[in-house]
Amino acid sequence: AQKITQTQPGMFVQEKEAVTLDCTYDTSDPSYGLFWYKQPSSGEMIFLIYQGSYDQQNATEGRYSLNFQKARKSANLVISASQLGDSAMYFCAMREEKGGANNLFFGTGTRLTVIP
Amino acid sequence: DTAVSQTPKYLVTQMGNDKSIKCEQNLGHDTMYWYKQDSKKFLKIMFSYNNKELIINETVPNRFSPKSPDKAHLNLHINSLELGDSAVYFCASSHGLAGGETQYFGPGTRLLVL
Repeated sequence: AQKITQTQPGMFVQEKEAVTLDCTYDTSDPSYGLFWYKQPSSGEMIFLIYQGSYDQQNATEGRYSLNFQKARKSANLVISASQLGDSAMYFCAMREEKGGANNLFFGTGTRLTVIP
Repeated sequence: DTAVSQTPKYLVTQMGNDKSIKCEQNLGHDTMYWYKQDSKKFLKIMFSYNNKELIINETVPNRFSPKSPDKAHLNLHINSLELGDSAVYFCASSHGLAGGETQYFGPGTRLLVL
């Protein structure tokens, strides 16, 4: 079963506008972590933001915020004031502990295009 | 200073060859990982190492073997390369075993098997 689902293969947003990238997850583990990574066209994977399952408040990092709705099992990424440099693939991932390591399960990604 | 580095960045080779990809991290992390990203951009864990011990070995072919000479390095050896091995391979590392530890990725190695 898919552990992480990203239903938006592609999104467009006007420069300076906000955009929400959807992510839902599936786990029976009470302790888990959710991550968002950005992959620009150059190919590297850049860590953006982390949300722990026990965190009371939504995570924020600069223009990035995570809309964590535990009951709905969703962890949407909100990018405010979009910039042209935000155009990239965005991956949602969930950490699941296995054998003591942090095994990350990734979604299929959303390609964001920022329009000038 | 690059935190997680991989060499080579590009690798083009013939089917049947044996190749290695090197990974080094200078973050002092305890755990390192290898991921494979296929042509559809899907990322999947292959291996992870914690303190030089393999602790996850997903269902990858045994032609793939990770080797960790020390805590800062996790190399990936691939024997008898096949066309389907063409992908981008990412190395990553994280500090310790705590649940919230972020994994930091290397730049990726683009492998093309002809």
